[in-house]
Amino acid sequence: ETGVTQSPTHLIKTRGQQVTLRCSSQSGHNTVSWYQQALGQGPQFIFQYYREEENGRGNFPPRFSGLQFPNYSSELNVNALELDDSALYLCASSSLLGLGYTFGSGTRLTVV
Amino acid sequence: AQRVTQPEKLLSVFKGAPVELKCNYSYSGSPELFWYVQYSRQRLQLLLRHISRESIKGFTADLNKGETSFHLKKPFAQEEDSAMYYCALISGNQGGKLIFGQGTELSVKP
Repeated sequence: ETGVTQSPTHLIKTRGQQVTLRCSSQSGHNTVSWYQQALGQGPQFIFQYYREEENGRGNFPPRFSGLQFPNYSSELNVNALELDDSALYLCASSSLLGLGYTFGSGTRLTVV
Repeated sequence: AQRVTQPEKLLSVFKGAPVELKCNYSYSGSPELFWYVQYSRQRLQLLLRHISRESIKGFTADLNKGETSFHLKKPFAQEEDSAMYYCALISGNQGGKLIFGQGTELSVKP
């Protein structure tokens, strides 16, 4: 399947819990980035992976962590969830650093 | 600090009217700028990038380094142009992360 797919589409968690979001990158893409989009805001960069290594991170605390796998799929893990973590989490992939990112539909996380 | 500013949260025009969505940026060095669009219930998708100097769906954007602007323009708006538009730049400091503006909602009325 072409394109970026994310799972799950929606998720409700309780404050203090941990969550894992998943992303399958577009075929041929080896760079994956994660973004957090709060309501009414533009996406904010969380971090980026290139060939299974983190090569950039935004202003997010260490409880936001990630992985990229040999097939270039990726996970975003968030520990000790806070109410402010409620947002749309977007995954984007690219074949070249910084050019033409393809975005997934996102995972809507609600922390209660 | 690297920053993208879209001063208008909402822009409402009538069909056939010209459209200009404003974008200003703050960046040291030569920026790479993009416009992304998100139609209702669809994913964020690339509309155009300044390095390709292309026109997509009748939209164009010119990089003005003097005014640090990258405004998106279309001479005649269509109803199907109604969407959220995000201006973004690539920051080369951190492996090519995209820095987005807050977005402008374009509403084209019949």
